[in-house]
Amino acid sequence: GAVVSQHPSWVICKSGTSVKIECRSLDFQATTMFWYRQFPKQSLMLMATSNEGSKATYEQGVEKDKFLINHASLTLSTLTVTSAHPEDSSFYICSASGRARGNEQFFGPGTRLTVL
Amino acid sequence: GENVEQHPSTLSVQEGDSAVIKCTYSDSASNYFPWYKQELGKRPQLIIDIRSNVGEKKDQRIAVTLNKTAKHFSLHITETQPEDSAVYFCAASVGDKSTFGDGTTLTVKP
Repeated sequence: GAVVSQHPSWVICKSGTSVKIECRSLDFQATTMFWYRQFPKQSLMLMATSNEGSKATYEQGVEKDKFLINHASLTLSTLTVTSAHPEDSSFYICSASGRARGNEQFFGPGTRLTVL
Repeated sequence: GENVEQHPSTLSVQEGDSAVIKCTYSDSASNYFPWYKQELGKRPQLIIDIRSNVGEKKDQRIAVTLNKTAKHFSLHITETQPEDSAVYFCAASVGDKSTFGDGTTLTVKP
């Protein structure tokens, strides 16, 4: 299968700071990347969908000014949690899909964010 | 939008027994149904998938069935092993957008 990396894998930050998470497709061109949030023992909640070179599409209830998504190239998407607060603490997972890969999504290893 | 329901939320079986997880979906346009296995703190891993033009697919101990008319699909694991213990998610996809079920925590007792 295709490889998707995510960095950092784990981050602790103070309330009010911003945190950037990178998602990279290492061996294929990801025309679409997805950002999910997962709380303990819960499902994957889609936050936004990003296509290379265009603005991200956010799901209902997700603040686009708080969760900034950039998909600058076919191999990189970034999620920036701005002015993070303790309630933003969660497991953030990206996934990527490409035209050559059909519908299948390939997941990154996730980033555990803890906001103090 | 799409609504995916998954049952049961927890499932405990004895090693060697079979496990069945069921999902229903609402959007008749969904045409791709993957199943993921997620171990604690790790990424979801695709274990099997099925497309809407197929009714059943099998890969060793894992099988998936799809009933398009009833809008439900199921995961079947036979001869379960302790290493099958994990959280399993179903998903229904339209295009490249997937909606996930709430997950089933499977515990296989040795």
